[in-house]
Amino acid sequence: QQQVKQSPQSLIVQKGGISIINCAYENTAFDYFPWYQQFPGKGPALLIAIRPDVSEKKEGRFTISFNKSAKQFSLHIMDSQPGDSATYFCAATGSYKLIFGSGTRLLVRP
Amino acid sequence: DVKVTQSSRYLVKRTGEKVFLECVQDMDHENMFWYRQDPGLGLRLIYFSYDVKMKEKGDIPEGYSVSREKKERFSLILESASTNQTSMYLCASSWVRSGYEQYFGPGTRLTVT
Repeated sequence: QQQVKQSPQSLIVQKGGISIINCAYENTAFDYFPWYQQFPGKGPALLIAIRPDVSEKKEGRFTISFNKSAKQFSLHIMDSQPGDSATYFCAATGSYKLIFGSGTRLLVRP
Repeated sequence: DVKVTQSSRYLVKRTGEKVFLECVQDMDHENMFWYRQDPGLGLRLIYFSYDVKMKEKGDIPEGYSVSREKKERFSLILESASTNQTSMYLCASSWVRSGYEQYFGPGTRLTVT
């Protein structure tokens, strides 16, 4: 299976709160799991990525948690800020090809 | 800074017209990609190129073709535009050694009437 399932479709969080976006995959051949961030009018940009031999990766306020046995991974945004309002895509790859989730539109209220 | 540019931000075409979307990258990337982005569907790969004149079909190649005559330039062609090809089209590029890290252009919003 090539799908990557992402939830929720949209998310509203108060400033300072934690935003959590979840993804699940089926193909155990995937070997890299990036997250992309897209602001309105812009193309997606790589935010953070993790390999399946690591359970957690943190970069600033952004953390990926990875559960290999459950074939799930999630993005946590700590201390969410209005500037984090964007669409977030999880993805998975085992080669050149990225398989994207359907996206989560995050709105952080001031 | 890596720069991926797309020839148009907005394009309006009529059904049956031949449409050319152009993409240029300035980082000497081997790989280039064309995606379409639709609400609720994420990004879907149309075509991929890993070298000049080399191409591979992605997940939704029907109704599209591509051309890569120079390393920095990758064109998407809609041979006969249809209304179901109204979408946001995104070009991306990457190095072979880090295919998970793709650099995207700003997109072209194509409307076919």
